[in-house]
This record gives sequence, structure tokens and C-alpha cells, in this order.
Amino acid sequence: AQKITQTQPGMFVQEKEAVTLDCTYDTSDQSYGLFWYKQPSSGEMIFLIYQGSYDEQNATEGRYSLNFQKARKSANLVISASQLGDSAMYFCAMREGKEASGSARQLTFGSGTQLTVLP
Amino acid sequence: DAGITQSPRYKITETGRQVTLMCHQTWSHSYMFWYRQDLGHGLRLIYYSAAADITDKGEVPDGYVVSRSKTENFPLTLESATRSQTSVYFCASSEPDLPLLFYNEQFFGPGTRLTVL
Repeated sequence: AQKITQTQPGMFVQEKEAVTLDCTYDTSDQSYGLFWYKQPSSGEMIFLIYQGSYDEQNATEGRYSLNFQKARKSANLVISASQLGDSAMYFCAMREGKEASGSARQLTFGSGTQLTVLP
Repeated sequence: DAGITQSPRYKITETGRQVTLMCHQTWSHSYMFWYRQDLGHGLRLIYYSAAADITDKGEVPDGYVVSRSKTENFPLTLESATRSQTSVYFCASSEPDLPLLFYNEQFFGPGTRLTVL
């Protein structure tokens, strides 16, 4: 089963509008972390925002916020006031907490959403 | 320069050849990772390392070998390259997590685009 599902392969948004990118996840762990990364056309992976499973408040970082609905297992990224520079691929990812102490916890990625901001 | 670097950035090779992709980080992060990115699959973990001399398989390890003799370096070797290994390869590093409480983000290198003919 897919651990991270991003159901929107492509999205369009008008400049200065807000946009929500969907992400649902699947885990049996009580403790986990959710991440969003941005990949512009130049190819690098840029960390945007993090939400811990025990965090009571939704994470915010500037124009980025994470709409975390734990019961629904969703962690949608909201970008407010879109800019042309926001056009990129966006990946949702998760790290689970159940791996043995001393081993690295891998990051599991979704397949991404290509966002295009229209002028 | 501080950060995480990968070399080469672009590589073309032939089926059957051995190829080594280099990764170097200057933060002294304990954890290092190798991912491959293919269209429609997002990023998939190949191998990871929790510390020098400690490595383990990820989701797609077949055909790859890693080593980590020094904390800052984590080379990835394709022992006998195949066309299915044509991909973009990302190296990443991170600090250890606070167990079950906080998970640190991974910092990614710029990627290596590998083409196997």
C-alpha cells in the first residue's frame, strides 16, 4: 500500500491566489513526521515545512502552512498569495518512528504535484 | 563551501561499466541517504547510513553498493550499470532525530543525472 498519496499530478493557480496541495498518508505509528519539499525546474530539493504527529498546532512557515488533520491522515500544504516562483514540483514525505534505535529513519515520498502559477 | 555536494553532476556511461557517484557533506551529520528519482515514483531510498561504517538497505538496493569510511563521505557504486539505472540520484544528510519526538529534515545535494546507454 502507498504510504504517501498525492492525488493531484498537476495543479494550476492564478498569481496571488492561495492553493492547496493534497497529501494523505498511511502509518500505524503514533509518532511520525511529515515534510513538504519543493523541487523547481533546476532540480534541487528544498525543504519547506515540517509537522510532527504530536504537534497540536498546524505548522506555518511564511506563506506556507500545513493543514494537518490527524484523524483523516491528511497533511495538505497551503501556499498563500502564490508567486510565479512557486511554480515547481512539490513532494510530501513522511518519516515513521518505529524503526530500531540507532538506525536511520527513512523518508518516504509521494509521487509529487506539479504546480504552475499563472500570471 | 558548507553544505552537501555531489559529483559528477552529469554522467553518461555504458551498460556493464562500474560507476561511482560521490557525496560529501560538511555539517558532520550522522545520517546520510541515497535516493533515486524516476518519473512517476517520486524519490525512492536506495541505501542509508546512520554513522561511519554503518549502512543499510532501503527500498531499491539491488545493483548498488555503498560504503562510509568517513562521516562526511558516502559514495554510491553501480557495480555493473544497467539501463534501468538511468535516473537522477540524490544524496541527503540529516541530524539524528529526538527519538519519537522530533524528526529533522533531510538536506539534499544538487543531484547527479546518470544516463546508462
